[in-house]
Amino acid sequence: GNSVTQMEGPVTLSEEAFLTINCTYTATGYPSLFWYVQYPGEGLQLLLKATKADDKGSNKGFEATYRKETTSFHLEKGSVQVSDSAVYFCALSDQTGGFKTIFGAGTRLFVKA
Amino acid sequence: DVKVTQSSRYLVKRTGEKVFLECVQDMDHENMFWYRQDPGLGLRLIYFSYDVKMKEKGDIPEGYSVSREKKERFSLILESASTNQTSMYLCASSSPEVNIQYFGAGTRLSVL
Repeated sequence: GNSVTQMEGPVTLSEEAFLTINCTYTATGYPSLFWYVQYPGEGLQLLLKATKADDKGSNKGFEATYRKETTSFHLEKGSVQVSDSAVYFCALSDQTGGFKTIFGAGTRLFVKA
Repeated sequence: DVKVTQSSRYLVKRTGEKVFLECVQDMDHENMFWYRQDPGLGLRLIYFSYDVKMKEKGDIPEGYSVSREKKERFSLILESASTNQTSMYLCASSSPEVNIQYFGAGTRLSVL
């Protein structure tokens, strides 16, 4: 079945540091890939997505590239801010899963001033 | 602005009580979902619905039921609450064409 594996947290960085959160997936079809973010006290919201191989999703300085050959969708940001402190979830959905989205376990990011 | 509203942010209930968690979306989405979120386990799908009066079991449906009488409303029911159902519950909706999920702010349920 489909699954998503992402690096365990928490990740603690200083402001302006480079961020990478690793995500790999297993899927039988051709999934769409997503990163969602959950700020403290809130529900999840979409951060970025990519729908086919080699697509790059980007938003708010975050980027992730859909790599079919390595089944990966790593999240990166060149310079993090304190306001980026949140939990980040990698996710996938495809037609074989119907309407469902499979989420990773989440990675908590702390950014220190 | 799209909106998914969960009726309560915090709930405290007693073991054995029947608990209703309500969720309303204003985006005319066909699909609606209930998840529970626990530390280290991410989001686990309890039930989902792709149309009015339709429901499908997710990965952890035991101890829960759902109701979808209107397109905009999806209710999660704990028939007899137990302490192991203490958790954060998240509702979401999506359209099948785009499949981006929109989440409510969550209900933190404590069962004592």
